[in-house]
Amino acid sequence: GENVEQHPSTLSVQEGDSAVIKCTYSDSASNYFPWYKQELGKRPQLIIDIRSNVGEKKDQRIAVTLNKTAKHFSLHITETQPEDSAVYFCASGGFSSGGSNYKLTFGKGTLLTVNP
Amino acid sequence: EAEVAQSPRYKITEKSQAVAFWCDPISGHATLYWYRQILGQGPELLVQFQDESVVDDSQLPKDRFSAERLKGVDSTLKIQPAELGDSAMYLCASSSSGGGEQDTGELFFGEGSRLTVL
Repeated sequence: GENVEQHPSTLSVQEGDSAVIKCTYSDSASNYFPWYKQELGKRPQLIIDIRSNVGEKKDQRIAVTLNKTAKHFSLHITETQPEDSAVYFCASGGFSSGGSNYKLTFGKGTLLTVNP
Repeated sequence: EAEVAQSPRYKITEKSQAVAFWCDPISGHATLYWYRQILGQGPELLVQFQDESVVDDSQLPKDRFSAERLKGVDSTLKIQPAELGDSAMYLCASSSSGGGEQDTGELFFGEGSRLTVL
């Protein structure tokens, strides 16, 4: 099955700095790569995603890059703010065996702390 | 805004007891997932339903775990008997079906059910 490795496990930055979280995946058939943000005690929520026919996607201060050849993708957060502090999960997926919908495998998460 | 509903939010039980969790997905979402999240780790898929059918339960410990979605809407996850290692957050998620270009693939998670086994 798919294996997703996420680094670093913890990341501490000063407010205004950039943060980068990296993930690698094993299944070359994976074609969907979302990032979820989970604040303490709350549900994971999608913040950005990218499909395999795109190399980069940006949404305001957040960007994701994908290198399918190397099987890795990264989350970039610029001008970090204290409210960006949370656990971030990458995931990798493709159609499930039933061919009906995406099956996602998650990384172990990165605890991002933005210090004021 | 529609949300995935889960209950109970918290459950404390003794080992060897039975526990059950309930999930009501976003209306119209054909795909429903149960994930287990151990503290400090990412969600791990236990079972995935497409309507009332199981499409993936390869990681479900079938000797003690069972899941059903009888009418293709809400779902129940049961553990019997519970073991100490089952202590975790059980997350339900749903998504729209199809996988086509219009399908975002986004999973919408519920608040989760936190299980503590003593």
